[in-house]
Amino acid sequence: DAGITQSPRHKVTETGTPVTLRCHQTENHRYMYWYRQDPGHGLRLIHYSYGVKDTDKGEVSDGYSVSRSKTEDFLLTLESATSSQTSVYFCAITRPGGNYGYTFGSGTRLTVV
Amino acid sequence: GEDVEQSLFLSVREGDSSVINCTYTDSSSTYLYWYKQEPGAGLQLLTYIFSNMDMKQDQRLTVLLNKKDKHLSLRIADTQTGDSAIYFCAESLEGNKLVFGAGTILRVKS
Repeated sequence: DAGITQSPRHKVTETGTPVTLRCHQTENHRYMYWYRQDPGHGLRLIHYSYGVKDTDKGEVSDGYSVSRSKTEDFLLTLESATSSQTSVYFCAITRPGGNYGYTFGSGTRLTVV
Repeated sequence: GEDVEQSLFLSVREGDSSVINCTYTDSSSTYLYWYKQEPGAGLQLLTYIFSNMDMKQDQRLTVLLNKKDKHLSLRIADTQTGDSAIYFCAESLEGNKLVFGAGTILRVKS
């Protein structure tokens, strides 16, 4: 979707290195989310944000941190990457009111070797 | 805790109807959603249903909701090869959060 972009699209990194994934939106939506997608697990929520400097943990937050210093950017950092964090990471945005659902980015495929 | 379950795989012939089923656990979910994911892409919102509705129709898509049994289904009429994808069911939680099922792979044979 043109209103939300993720970077990089693909990354290979070594175990133990820090990695930052970026989500950028042009929709001025308040809510932003980071999910990971793994076979057999669907999408699992890592962290989410309700506004600038307002973030909270999801169900699989261990080993991840986030920052949101501007409405348009939501950064996900793997503090010390592990092989179990090899996954496809999706960012999503939404606005208040459940009938909008989420708009997803195209994903970042991260491989930790 | 919250859990959304779906069957993993469905295979149909082109032109037939597809029915993808989902069960969810949170009876307070206000909205339930169906998303479609094509290879290498993010999830696209297909349709949603408000919890006080039993059925919603949108062109070839019909969503049925049985709130008593916490069962949601998506019917795709006249299934086409372009419908081949992974379909995710999701329930809404407090705070605008969604919980997703593991996804159902739909394969359409021509």
